[in-house]
Amino acid sequence: DIVLTQSPDSLAVSLGERATINCRSSQSVLHSANNKNYLAWYQQKPGQPPKLLIYWASTRESGVPDRFTGSGSGTDFTLTISTLQAEDVAVYYCQQYHTNPPTFGQGTRLDNK
Amino acid sequence: QALLVQSGPEVKKPGASVTVSCKTSGYTFGSFDINWLRQATGQGPEWLGWMNPNNGHTGYAQKFQDRVTMTRDTSTRTFYLELSSLRSDDTAVYYCVLDKSWFDSWGQGTLVTVSS
Repeated sequence: DIVLTQSPDSLAVSLGERATINCRSSQSVLHSANNKNYLAWYQQKPGQPPKLLIYWASTRESGVPDRFTGSGSGTDFTLTISTLQAEDVAVYYCQQYHTNPPTFGQGTRLDNK
Repeated sequence: QALLVQSGPEVKKPGASVTVSCKTSGYTFGSFDINWLRQATGQGPEWLGWMNPNNGHTGYAQKFQDRVTMTRDTSTRTFYLELSSLRSDDTAVYYCVLDKSWFDSWGQGTLVTVSS
């Protein structure tokens, strides 16, 4: 199975500041046939299911604010929140859908400093 | 807008079986496979398997091959997950999810607690 390792496990950022979360894959999730990275990002708040933010590593889901940006390719990916808002406090997960079974990272807890 | 509504929380003893249901609406039935995932407290989601709603074909994670069964009732657009030989480490929130490669439509989750 592909293992996704997120860093850091937790971070605290002041409102209005930038937050950066990393995700490293044990194997490349870049599909050579279409040059797409099969990686998604989710946000999860307590008592709720995960919410899709980003797919194809950098395509924002409809309705997701443009302060959320996904980047990276191959085995190294980043989710950046440009200016942290109070409602962004949550746990964030990366997920690969390149190879069965789909797998998730262990999560990064983002708090307000 | 797809809607997936799951059955309520369950408490089971070790060795028992549990069945979780997922009633779907708001999209063309058969357009997407249904996946089941679970999430233990403080952990990332874990994939259990998928079902093709059109022909009932399934694929299970190797870890759960011997204990999981996924079925469907096309007349009610309802999907079922059965997990047998429950252990304490099966305690988790179980989700049904529409498969678009990524997961953009989730049920609300069903808490299954395994305790003696």
